[in-house]
Amino acid sequence: EAQVTQNPRYLITVTGKKLTVTCSQNMNHEYMSWYRQDPGLGLRQIYYSMNVEVTDKGDVPEGYKVSRKEKRNFPLILESPSPNQTSLYFCASRPGTRGYNEQFFGPGTRLTVL
Amino acid sequence: GQQLNQSPQSMFIQEGEDVSMNCTSSSIFNTWLWYKQEPGEGPVLLIALYKAGELTSNGRLTAQFGITRKDSFLNISASIPSDVGIYFCAGEPSGAGSYQLTFGKGTKLSVIP
Repeated sequence: EAQVTQNPRYLITVTGKKLTVTCSQNMNHEYMSWYRQDPGLGLRQIYYSMNVEVTDKGDVPEGYKVSRKEKRNFPLILESPSPNQTSLYFCASRPGTRGYNEQFFGPGTRLTVL
Repeated sequence: GQQLNQSPQSMFIQEGEDVSMNCTSSSIFNTWLWYKQEPGEGPVLLIALYKAGELTSNGRLTAQFGITRKDSFLNISASIPSDVGIYFCAGEPSGAGSYQLTFGKGTKLSVIP
């Protein structure tokens, strides 16, 4: 089944404790991205990657890091989480070529930083 | 980044009624996507549109790519309780090298049985 998977689905942590949220897709998509979703603010893009070893900042990159060492994986790293990073996070992937370019989302990771 | 103007923000309708929502932008888009999100879940793609004027259906859902390429509409006919959720539009702006999607803030749909 074609899908985007994220782990963990739920995470409660404390300020300053480094964490990684994994994301994997099995559709051989070139383009992957991370979003956060907050009430009243909608989906905001954190980082995106157009291919292996190619990453760029989205609209709200501060406090986050990403890496794209393999095509299928795109982990999100919070080196020193803070309470304002409490949010619902989504990974997404798209084929990456212009034209028929549907984007698929993972199931989400709800992060709480105390 | 740019946000799409999606309206209405929320709707309360009676089961069986038809629903209409739309997204508008000041910029031209190449692609319009419509998603549904249920509580605690990721957005699920409902309909994708690729050409100006295109009208596409998915069951009771119908979406249209506006002729001006600056808007899109989603209609749900004969609503049922399981239609409840938040519906998002997303668009791929026109322009060389632009692969990023722009999202609306969503329309929250409530269906009264």
